[in-house]
Amino acid sequence: EAGVAQSPRYKIIEKRQSVAFWCNPISGHATLYWYQQILGQGPKLLIQFQNNGVVDDSQLPKDRFSAERLKGVDSTLKIQPAKLEDSAVYLCASSFNSQETQYFGPGTRLLVL
Amino acid sequence: GIQVEQSPPDLILQEGANSTLRCNFSDSVNNLQWFHQNPWGQLINLFYIPSGTKQNGRLSATTVATERYSLLYISSSQTTDSGVYFCACPSVGKLQFGAGTQVVVTP
Repeated sequence: EAGVAQSPRYKIIEKRQSVAFWCNPISGHATLYWYQQILGQGPKLLIQFQNNGVVDDSQLPKDRFSAERLKGVDSTLKIQPAKLEDSAVYLCASSFNSQETQYFGPGTRLLVL
Repeated sequence: GIQVEQSPPDLILQEGANSTLRCNFSDSVNNLQWFHQNPWGQLINLFYIPSGTKQNGRLSATTVATERYSLLYISSSQTTDSGVYFCACPSVGKLQFGAGTQVVVTP
């Protein structure tokens, strides 16, 4: 069974630029999550989708971050404009439903200069 | 929301040693997960353990839900066990992660 796929694996941008990350969840998983992991900390949930609807985006900085899952499968997370403090690993995870185990992708390491 | 505390923050082990990692949580939970984040950043599920004890090879975990803690045991540690171990509990519909325990296993 293929795992959660993410791309790109690494990205370096300058502050005020925009960036987008892509996630393909495990086939059949209805729930998709985006996490931000700052160095030395545990992952923090940014947004949770159930199929193509948003369940929780309470910790998403909506002035600069946006995410979508239009067809209920793949998802993109965008940052525009990026700030220095957005440097982190962005992890995508999926689960069969919101009560089941979450499986994580390899993450995208973002460095904002 | 729920508070999740892990101890110790860091652990250095010689290969072959055993160790215990602890996770305390501030409220009752209906599930708890342990993850291993390897040095390349990949988070790998170890256990889904709301209560009781589970074993997987050299790793085992015990959750005592009534006393709000969980323990992860690593036996006969190997260098491949190095990385950060996280526990996570559901809180208001989302997983709340602890700060992790950084484990380094030396040859």
